[in-house]
Amino acid sequence: GAVVSQHPSRVICKSGTSVKIECRSLDFQATTMFWYRQFPKQSLMLMATSNEGSKATYEQGVEKDKFLINHASLTLSTLTVTSAHPEDSSFYICSARDPGGGLVDGYTFGSGTRLTVV
Amino acid sequence: KNQVEQSPQSLIILEGKNCTLQCNYTVSPFSNLRWYKQDTGRGPVSLTIMTFSENTKSNGRYTATLDADTKQSSLHITASQLSDSASYICVVSARTGTYKYIFGTGTRLKVLA
Repeated sequence: GAVVSQHPSRVICKSGTSVKIECRSLDFQATTMFWYRQFPKQSLMLMATSNEGSKATYEQGVEKDKFLINHASLTLSTLTVTSAHPEDSSFYICSARDPGGGLVDGYTFGSGTRLTVV
Repeated sequence: KNQVEQSPQSLIILEGKNCTLQCNYTVSPFSNLRWYKQDTGRGPVSLTIMTFSENTKSNGRYTATLDADTKQSSLHITASQLSDSASYICVVSARTGTYKYIFGTGTRLKVLA
């Protein structure tokens, strides 16, 4: 089946620095990828929809300038958390549409990135 | 408002026992419903997916049911194993031009030896 690779799996950074998270679709092209954030014991919350070759669409309440999304190719989307603060510490997960989904939308998730800002 | 509610919030069972997790949704227009298993610190992994016309879908020891009339789904786990300890998330897809996922808050299952 389709595989989405996410890197790094864990990152610890100092407050005020920027962190880049990569999301790659392996063996399939993903024109659209999604970025989620998950706080402890809570459900996944959609942050933004990443579109290849165009600007990302952000959900209400998500700061565009803080969470920079670049979808430069059909297999790679990146999320950069700029000027990270401790409250940005969370679990970030990407997903991409599985081309094998047929008539039913199928989405495969990456393994997630645990970001800790100290 | 599109919502997905799951119950119970958490569950503890003994190894070998069966359990059933519930999912109620108010999502329209409905496209499909998925159950995901999410191990701690990992991304969700799809267990089953059901469209409007499907009532039951099995994946090994996991059996999902869907009642589109009452907008309810259940996930039944048979002969639980320690490795079943995880969060189980019900996700309903709304067909709104582009597909949109609505996530439930999940049920945290703990299987004890």
